[in-house]
Amino acid sequence: ELKVEQNPLFLSMQEGKNYTIYCNYSTTSDRLYWYRQDPGKSLESLFVLLSNGAVKQEGRLMASLDTKARLSTLHITAAVHDLSATYFCAAGGSNYKLTFGKGTLLTVNP
Amino acid sequence: ETGVTQTPRHLVMGMTNKKSLKCEQHLGHNAMYWYKQSAKKPLELMFVYSLEERVENNSVPSRFSPECPNSSHLFLHLHTLQPEDSALYLCASSRQVTLNTEAFFGQGTRLTVV
Repeated sequence: ELKVEQNPLFLSMQEGKNYTIYCNYSTTSDRLYWYRQDPGKSLESLFVLLSNGAVKQEGRLMASLDTKARLSTLHITAAVHDLSATYFCAAGGSNYKLTFGKGTLLTVNP
Repeated sequence: ETGVTQTPRHLVMGMTNKKSLKCEQHLGHNAMYWYKQSAKKPLELMFVYSLEERVENNSVPSRFSPECPNSSHLFLHLHTLQPEDSALYLCASSRQVTLNTEAFFGQGTRLTVV
């Protein structure tokens, strides 16, 4: 059974700082997704990572995938308040199912 | 706006009530999903439909009954729920029920069972 662990679950950081959210998964996965959720809102797709070594960047966020280490990271550069949200990673196994992590609640303080 | 619309946004129901959640997608996708999001728990996949056929029932109690009349609409019928069923119920759709397809989520229905 595929299990996904994110850490940290809570992250409070100051504007302008850098930080990384980690997503570990327990068994072989060929795809990894990152989502963002604002309070009371839907999950918004951020990145889809489909191969070992994949790196994608959008603004201040960069996601990477290491399938050998079963690890994906979401790196935040020079955080701004607008990035405050909950970030989820989800890994796909050998079928269509996605297994989600518990989410990381990110708060960016002025 | 993701192209996946859920109604109602909020629902309060008693344990003896019967209600339904509705999901509609305008993306031309063939697969639709129901997820449950409880506090402090990961998203749990409940049901998966592909071209109106149910392909997954993830050990969900029978008090939750899905219906998919066509590939654009998905319902979740609720009856005799328990307070622990209170959660955010999210609908999602994807192009296919296959590998590597991205899921798009609706805004969810916040359900409170009293």
